[in-house]
Amino acid sequence: EVQLVESGGGLEQPGGSLRLSCAASGFTFSSYSMNWVRQAPGKGLEWVSYISSSSSTIYYADSVKGRFTISRDNAKNSLYLQMNSLRDEDTAVYYCARLRGDRTWDYWGQGTLVTVSS
Amino acid sequence: DIVMTQTPLSSPVTLGQPASISCRSSQSLVHSDGNTYLSWVQQRPGQPPRLLIYKISNRFSGVPDRFSGSGAGTDFTLKISRVEAEDVGVYYCMQVTQFPLTFGGGTKVELK
Repeated sequence: EVQLVESGGGLEQPGGSLRLSCAASGFTFSSYSMNWVRQAPGKGLEWVSYISSSSSTIYYADSVKGRFTISRDNAKNSLYLQMNSLRDEDTAVYYCARLRGDRTWDYWGQGTLVTVSS
Repeated sequence: DIVMTQTPLSSPVTLGQPASISCRSSQSLVHSDGNTYLSWVQQRPGQPPRLLIYKISNRFSGVPDRFSGSGAGTDFTLKISRVEAEDVGVYYCMQVTQFPLTFGGGTKVELK
């Protein structure tokens, strides 16, 4: 069974940092691209970042470029999102999602809540 | 960036009746490889998103056949043939043709 479990969320002050993790199981993690997506309270979905299976290709949304860094450790079956210079508007539930070779987002995690507030 | 526009924002429906959601993209979603990477996801209250339909009309594993997708180019539709109570939630279209990946604003399906 495919499982994606996010962790690392919490309360952080503006300007602070957090590191999110996504632990993958039930599939060959190193064969899949991965994404982070977020959802602000009561709002819609916003794509945040993409990383290819080998980490050779990485993309970011303009809203996080220069502040967030996506990475992965295929030996540990884990995906990460380093979030620096946090802003109030980064407050959201952050989901990791798997991307198949045919560009299908087939599995999503349960999400981890990040709250940025003083 | 490709803008995805969904209508309606809200769709009150009666159990057993059909529902339809439209999604329009600001530019064609046909990729250079010939595929159209338009998906639909469902988000039930308090739950993470769940894939329903990929590449316009392909139902994901375990998705009931009352859900169907259609369309081409820039105009797409998700239909629920007979709404059941478990279908209540917000539905999003999303394009994976081009980065940045973008979502529609969501359509809330609720019972009358």
